[in-house]
Formats: sequence, structure tokens, C-alpha cells
Amino acid sequence: DAGITQSPRHKVTETGTPVTLRCHQTENHRYMYWYRQDPGHGLRLIHYSYGVKDTDKGEVSDGYSVSRSKTEDFLLTLESATSSQTSVYFCAISGGTTIYEQYFGPGTRLTVT
Amino acid sequence: DQQVKQNSPSLSVQEGRISILNCDYTNSMFDYFLWYKKYPAEGPTFLISISSIKDKNEDGRFTVFLNKSAKHLSLHIVPSQPGDSAVYFCAAKATGNQFYFGTGTSLTVIP
Repeated sequence: DAGITQSPRHKVTETGTPVTLRCHQTENHRYMYWYRQDPGHGLRLIHYSYGVKDTDKGEVSDGYSVSRSKTEDFLLTLESATSSQTSVYFCAISGGTTIYEQYFGPGTRLTVT
Repeated sequence: DQQVKQNSPSLSVQEGRISILNCDYTNSMFDYFLWYKKYPAEGPTFLISISSIKDKNEDGRFTVFLNKSAKHLSLHIVPSQPGDSAVYFCAAKATGNQFYFGTGTSLTVIP
């Protein structure tokens, strides 16, 4: 299994509070991604990174920001959480020998009350 | 708008028979396609992929077919096994390494 972890695994927070989710990899892969999974929508890309300090928006980036100061860490921040951001968040990495295959972390279940 | 669609939310198949999961896409610029399998409370795991320059890729019991003119791909699993019961997502790669996923098909293989 690819070395990819997410923290926290579960979080409950209140509307309006900031939240940061962390993704950590030990594979030295170039690309890192944040997705959210919601019923009826599958997985939707929030942001992705193609290198340290290089990031780009995905299809559902509003309300989210990201940072990547080290190859191994990719942070997702909800500046002011809303109930619509209640979801399961998955981090993924790619860029190994088969560059398009993504390896996913175990997910973070976020509930915004 | 959903650029990658899986119109069958669920599928049930008898053990030993063939499972066929379908996926349609709208963006002709997609150049790579992948299938992932997901168990509850876990992240998706990669299953098989195909480049847009090919029409078939096979890996053991899993075969992916791509019909570019119809913007359609399918995943065939034969023979199906109970351990194949999971949610299957198709995904498509756009330029810049951005990926679009379908909504998933829940496969149940009945022993």
C-alpha cells in the first residue's frame, strides 16, 4: 500500500470555524489531490498540487484553500466551515512509475453542525 | 454538469457470471481513463486503466473497453467473485492532470 495518511480521521466542528485537514505521503510523489465524496456526486476534485508551492483549483474549490510547503504534506483549509462542507474528504497522490494512477488515503469524515 | 456519468447506481450479478459496469463521458479531450474500486470506510483503490489511443486493456479477470466515438467505456469482470462486491468509480483525465469521477456503481456479487 502507498504510504499516505490523513489526519484527523473524524472531525465535528461548528459553522463558521476554520478547519485544516492534513495529508501526508511517504512516496515522494509529485502530484497530490483533495477530493470530497458526497452521495449522488461521486468524487469531486477540490484542489490539486503538481509540486511544492504549485497548486491549482478543481471543480469545487469555492470555500477551500490549500498549501503545500513540503513534498510530503498537502493541507486543505476551510476558512469558515459551512454545513454544505459536511462530507468525506479523500487525499490522493500520483506521479510514480504509472503516473496517472492515484493512490488514496483512508479519508476524513467532516461534520459541520 | 457531470462530465463523467455512471447511469447505473447498482448492479447485482451471480458468482461466476460476468459483471459489466458502464461509464459515459462528454469531454472529447479526456485522454486517459481509470477504474477504481471502493469498499466502505476505505479510500478508493486503483483497478485498471486505458489510454485514449487504445480500445481495450486486460488485466486478469478485469478488462476495460473504450469506445471513443460513443464516448463510452465499460469494465468487464469475469468470473465475478463475492469479494468483487464494492462500489466502482470510473475516472477520466483532462489536461493538467485533473481528474473527473463518475458517481459510482455499487456491485453486489451473489454467492
